[in-house]
Parts: sequence; structure tokens; C-alpha cells
Amino acid sequence: DVKVTQSSRYLVKRTGEKVFLECVQDMDHENMFWYRQDPGLGLRLIYFSYDVKMKEKGDIPEGYSVSREKKERFSLILESASTNQTSMYLCASSFGQGASYGYTFGSGTRLTVV
Amino acid sequence: ILNVEQSPQSLHVQEGDSTNFTCSFPSSNFYALHWYRWETAKSPEALFVMTLNGDEKKKGRISATLNTKEGYSYLYIKGSQPEDSATYLCASYNYQLIWGAGTKLIIKP
Repeated sequence: DVKVTQSSRYLVKRTGEKVFLECVQDMDHENMFWYRQDPGLGLRLIYFSYDVKMKEKGDIPEGYSVSREKKERFSLILESASTNQTSMYLCASSFGQGASYGYTFGSGTRLTVV
Repeated sequence: ILNVEQSPQSLHVQEGDSTNFTCSFPSSNFYALHWYRWETAKSPEALFVMTLNGDEKKKGRISATLNTKEGYSYLYIKGSQPEDSATYLCASYNYQLIWGAGTKLIIKP
């Protein structure tokens, strides 16, 4: 019973390419998040969204943009991929805002930019 | 930016042994502490969300405690099994989740 689906498990792209990472959730969650995970570091928030067509910058938004045209889908866009964007990208969703709501994660997309 | 620290970074434990590891977080403006388990090639999975000082939660052989005054949480695994091998992540909530780098647990058969 997959609840948060990321479109690709592995992706290899060339420097300068525009890259789309797709995330879909089937739990009718309001909130969606994009993180990247790098060795030795905690998950870092790139962008998040609390509602359709709404987006907020996280801690490291530079070089990224997002789109949320429908409640269930949250897309991460790398406008012009660079090698320092090689990373594991995780999408997550949560039912509500606030401290006590757990997150449901996708299984991640490992992106390599060459 | 808050700092959430987890120790140790990695841990090898013999099957059947019990183990524990630590998550440290700033004690000021505390709202909640989350624990997740992330197995290789799978999605991170929520284990516990803890909000009250002295809180203790349990899920099977895994339990967690919380001390908000001193800013730490312990995760305990009793009688480790190979399926417990995973990276355990904690995160402190301060308008967003602030994540530690994780403790990688490897259970040796």
C-alpha cells in the first residue's frame, strides 16, 4: 500500500539539464515537503507547500523551484542541474501543520548529475 | 538554525543484544521530537512523536524516552534482530522539523 510515490528511484542527468522530480501522495494530505539527504548531514528542507498553488522556501532553495497544481502532486524542479545537486531527494507529506503530525515519506530519488 | 545531534554515527551490535542511542536537541522552545527508521532502499518510517517531558513510548522491542529540560531523547532496542538494521533519524520540531544526521545500526548475526 504505497502512499507517497516518487517517480524515479535512480536518475542520471547532465549538467545544465532541467530536471523534474515528481511526488504523488494518495492520503489527501495538505502538506508536502522536499528534502535532500547528503552523507553526514541531516535532511535539509528545500521547499514545502501547505496548500495547492502555495509554496514556501526551506533552508536551501537556491537552484530549485517547485510546483503544486494539484493537492496530491508536488514537483521539484532543478532549473539547470549542477554537480553539487547530486544527492538523495526525499518527498514527504503530513496531514496537518504542527509539531505532532508525523511525516510519510517516499522511497527517495537518487540523482546523479554528471 | 537549531542543531540536532545524534550519537553514535554508527553502531554494530550482535544479534540478541540490546542497544540504545541518543538524540540531543536545543531544550528552549521545544515542541516535539520525532523518531524515524530508514531501512536501505525503503522510505523513512515514523516510529514515535513525543511532546511531553518524561514521555516514554514503546513499539514492540523499540522504546524511546524524552527529557525536554536537558534536551535529549534515547532510543532503545531490546534483543536486536537483523531486521532492526537501519538508520534511525530524530528530528526536533521548531516550526519545521530539524533533523539529525542519523545513527546507522548494523546487527551482526
